[in-house]
This record gives sequence, C-alpha cells and structure tokens, in this order.
Amino acid sequence: QKEVEQNSGPLSVPEGAIASLNCTYSDRGSQSFFWYRQYSGKSPELIMFIYSNGDKEDGRFTAQLNKASQYVSLLIRDSQPSDSATYLCAVNAESGYALNFGKGTSLLVTP
Amino acid sequence: KAGVTQTPRYLIKTRGQQVTLSCSPISGHRSVSWYQQTPGQGLQFLFEYFSETQRNKGNFPGRFSGRQFSNSRSEMNVSTLELGDSALYLCASSSPTGFNGEQFFGPGTRLTVL
Repeated sequence: QKEVEQNSGPLSVPEGAIASLNCTYSDRGSQSFFWYRQYSGKSPELIMFIYSNGDKEDGRFTAQLNKASQYVSLLIRDSQPSDSATYLCAVNAESGYALNFGKGTSLLVTP
Repeated sequence: KAGVTQTPRYLIKTRGQQVTLSCSPISGHRSVSWYQQTPGQGLQFLFEYFSETQRNKGNFPGRFSGRQFSNSRSEMNVSTLELGDSALYLCASSSPTGFNGEQFFGPGTRLTVL
C-alpha cells in the first residue's frame, strides 16, 4: 500500500505568519506531487503541483520537494484567515491520473 | 467553461439497496476519477476511466463499480449498500493536455446509508 502521511493538526498560526505544512510518501517511484485545499463542506481545489526537486513558488505559496527524503511541503506566507482550511497532499499513483491522498492537515489562521 | 457536475448532490438509502451516482466532466476532459471521502479514512481512490476504459482501480470491494460513456460522462454504482458506505463521493476530471494528475473536482454526492 502506497502511503501518504500528513500531520492531522490542527496547525494554528497567527495572521501574517508563515504556515508550514508537511507530507511524506512511501513510493520512491512517485513522480508528481500536489497540494489541494479543501474548505469545510466543499470539494478539494488544486493549489500547486511540483515534480522536480527544489522549490516552486506561486504567489504566497511555495511547494518544496525532496525526493531523496521522500517529503514534500507547502509554505504559505502572510497567512490570512481565509487560508483556514484542510490541506491535502496528493501523490500520483501508478499509471493514469489516479492520486493517493494524505488525510490532510487542518490549518487555522487566527486574526 | 462549466465545471465538473455531479448528481444527485444528496442521497439517503438503506442497507442492502444499490445506488448509482453520475458525473459529467469538464468539456474536453476524457479522464474521470472517483474518490470516496470519509472522516476516518480521508480521500480514497476508487477508480479511473479514460476513453470508456477503466485504467486504474483502488482497493475497494467488487460492490463498487463504474463505467464511462462515449461522451466521457461517468457513473459509479454501489450494490448491497452497507452502513460504512456512507461518505462523500467525489468525481474529478483531467484534461489530456493538462499536467499529469491535475484533477478538477466536482461538488460531490453525499451518500447516507441508514
């Protein structure tokens, strides 16, 4: 079974701070890594994807990938209360577009 | 462009019944994946269809099945419902020109089994 592990949280950060979310995966053959955000009662929406080692920045979000250590992280700079949600890490499964998801980390940004 | 649509949005069934859920992908998307989301297990992959063929299957019993039609619309069926099948069922579609795994989710169908 290919595992994707996340700390369930909740992770609480003050408004304006940097939120750091982490994820580890078990399958060394994984090629593509995704971060989805899910608000309560809503469906997941894609924030970022990364497939090369290193950092990838998009606005206030930075995804970091370290394949040797099998971890991927998401940094949210200048956190806002509207960022409060569950963040899901996903790793591509085998062929096709199927994804293995972690159980998510709940983020709470306090004003 | 319209997003992924799922019908019905809510469903209540009793144990032993069967249910069919429907998903219409974004126009032009040929891949449709189905996921089950529960508080305890999180999001779990059920199966993926591409051009009417099942391309991947998750670790679910045979009571869970699906199909895809020539217009890329997909249905999933759960037979002999159990209480543990109560969950949010999410459908996601992917573009053949999009990045591998970039999936767009529908609003989900909330299934309650009594």
